Amino acid sequence: NAGVMQNPRHLVRRRGQEARLRCSPMKGHSHVYWYRQLPEEGLKFMVYLQKENIIDESGMPKERFSAEFPKEGPSILRIQQVVRGDSAAYFCASSPPWVVAGELFFGEGSRLTVL
Amino acid sequence: GDSVTQMEGPVTLSEEAFLTINCTYTATGYPSLFWYVQYPGEGLQLLLKATKADDKGSNKGFEATYRKETTSFHLEKGSVQVSDSAVYFCALSPPGANSKLTFGKGITLSVRP
Repeated sequence: NAGVMQNPRHLVRRRGQEARLRCSPMKGHSHVYWYRQLPEEGLKFMVYLQKENIIDESGMPKERFSAEFPKEGPSILRIQQVVRGDSAAYFCASSPPWVVAGELFFGEGSRLTVL
Repeated sequence: GDSVTQMEGPVTLSEEAFLTINCTYTATGYPSLFWYVQYPGEGLQLLLKATKADDKGSNKGFEATYRKETTSFHLEKGSVQVSDSAVYFCALSPPGANSKLTFGKGITLSVRP
């Protein structure tokens, strides 16, 4: 599945720094989703975006985390003032406007390590 | 809240062996159920799904049946191949929220020639 592109694949940050993760959806897809996988856990839903709109952010931590999907360019997941507990794999997925039940297309993930 | 529990891994099998990967879930109402697979170096991709009780999803020789009475969606394949080596994730989405998936931890399957 080379369609959804995430970068960087690996990111190392020190506590207090900012992390920015980028996601380019598959061609023709206008919906983007971010999921997080903490060590020894399953993927957890964070946020669902369409172009220039946040549709559902019920899984986003209330502080330090933000996401955007601008009219032009990739979707960005931003984590300010990172802490060790933010170390995880962050997966982006995309879908076309007509979402077939659960059929999301995932990227390979971005692995964040906070020292 | 909703949750998905997968059997502990990793699992190592010889080629042509029978595969069962257990998955049970907790959810309100009638969720849709999915198996996703992540091959080495790739993103997760949908393997199969079932959207109502007693439905059987199938793809690439894999099958899983939606069992409401046992809240299970076990993945099976009669004869695995080396190319099936991957990480397998069981997942659900609540009714009307097709994009909000809840995943299990995933299990790594290695198939020996």
